[in-house]
Amino acid sequence: QVQLVESGGGVVQPGGSLRLSCAVSDSTFSSYAFNWVRQAPGKGLEWVAFIRSDGIIKYYADSVKGRFTVSRDNSKNTVYLQMDNLTPEDTAVYFCAKDGRTMAARPLYFQDWGQGTMVTASS
Amino acid sequence: SVVLTQPPSVSVAPGQTARIACGLNNSGRKIVNWYQQKPGQAPVLVVYDDIDRASGIPERFSGSNSGSTAALTISRVEAGDEADYFCQVWDSYSNLVLFGGGTKLTVL
Repeated sequence: QVQLVESGGGVVQPGGSLRLSCAVSDSTFSSYAFNWVRQAPGKGLEWVAFIRSDGIIKYYADSVKGRFTVSRDNSKNTVYLQMDNLTPEDTAVYFCAKDGRTMAARPLYFQDWGQGTMVTASS
Repeated sequence: SVVLTQPPSVSVAPGQTARIACGLNNSGRKIVNWYQQKPGQAPVLVVYDDIDRASGIPERFSGSNSGSTAALTISRVEAGDEADYFCQVWDSYSNLVLFGGGTKLTVL
């Protein structure tokens, strides 16, 4: 059973930065794309970013484009989300989610999820 | 732009059938996936590619997609099915993943 463990969340002032990590226990890590999905308190799910297995193709939600950067290190089985210029609207639990098929060139479906890490942007 | 419309809530008695709709607002043919989320937990994939059940999901869960409306149907509803359910698509025109607003299933 694959495990995804997010870390790096916390409280940050508006305009600040955080880097989230998602450590994945999966020997096939380098064959799968990953996504970040967030959920504001009491709200629904919002997709944030996608990164292909080789790290070349990336997609972002309009709400984070230009502020967030997704990356991965296939030698460490880890996916990252660098979040800059945070605003109170970015306050949410951030989930890492593994895509459903190998070598996916775009988001398909989210097969496995981590438990999430909380990010709070507040003064 | 693509908008996924779900009813905020659906209530059903145990043993009955629940149908959760996801309106696709004339967005063209879209493949729909469904997730279940219980309070304080991460979402769980229930149905993918419109009709395929995810691993470990009971046969009571089924998906359908007519083009304008997708639906998740839960037969013989149990108390443990009480959760929020979200539909999700990929919009190739905008290169965005979209979620519906979610439906809270209450088992009476």
